[in-house]
Amino acid sequence: DIQMTQSPSSVSASVGDRVTITCRASQGISNWLAWYQQKPGRAPKLLIYFASSLQTGVPSRFSASGSGTDFTLTISSLQPEDFATYYCQQSKSFPLTFGGGTKVEIK
Amino acid sequence: QISLKESGPTLVKPTQTLTLTCTFSGFSLSASGVGVGWIRQPPGKALEWLALIYWDDDRRYSPFLKSRLTITKDTSRNQVILTMTNMDPVDTGTYYCAHILGASPFDHWGQGILVTVSS
Repeated sequence: DIQMTQSPSSVSASVGDRVTITCRASQGISNWLAWYQQKPGRAPKLLIYFASSLQTGVPSRFSASGSGTDFTLTISSLQPEDFATYYCQQSKSFPLTFGGGTKVEIK
Repeated sequence: QISLKESGPTLVKPTQTLTLTCTFSGFSLSASGVGVGWIRQPPGKALEWLALIYWDDDRRYSPFLKSRLTITKDTSRNQVILTMTNMDPVDTGTYYCAHILGASPFDHWGQGILVTVSS
């Protein structure tokens, strides 16, 4: 199985801050990586697919990069609605696996 | 517009079998590449993929839970059914179904259903 490790597990930031979240795969997954945003009590929402492609309707302050085993999600200027938990997920092979999540909290 | 909704019991007893139904609209599970998956989330914890069924009846399961899971589809009713046997309190959590196309990620999710396992 491919293990997905996110860091940090939580981050405190202020509105306007730049935030970067990292996801590492236990083996190479090319660009078969997605990022989701989840707010409390809500279903996850797809933000990024194929490592760096922005899902339709997602604000351009979200960007992502990476290939192989190391990936990053960046929020260029944190907005109040961005406080949430973020998950990465690989779709290179079964079983599909998610990272442990990164909670972005208000400083 | 794609939408999915989970239904089923919200309380089950230990050792019982859980049956959840995902009813969807806006796509056909007969279309090439289309799939529906199930993902769960224990309270306060991370997402865990459970099972996936594709348009051609290809079925994939989490190896950790494979012996307990069965996923089926009813294309005429636009439904996907997940059964999980021998439920345990550790299976408590929110269960989501979601749409997938090929090897793409889950792009549309249901609202989720909270299932509690307790005697």
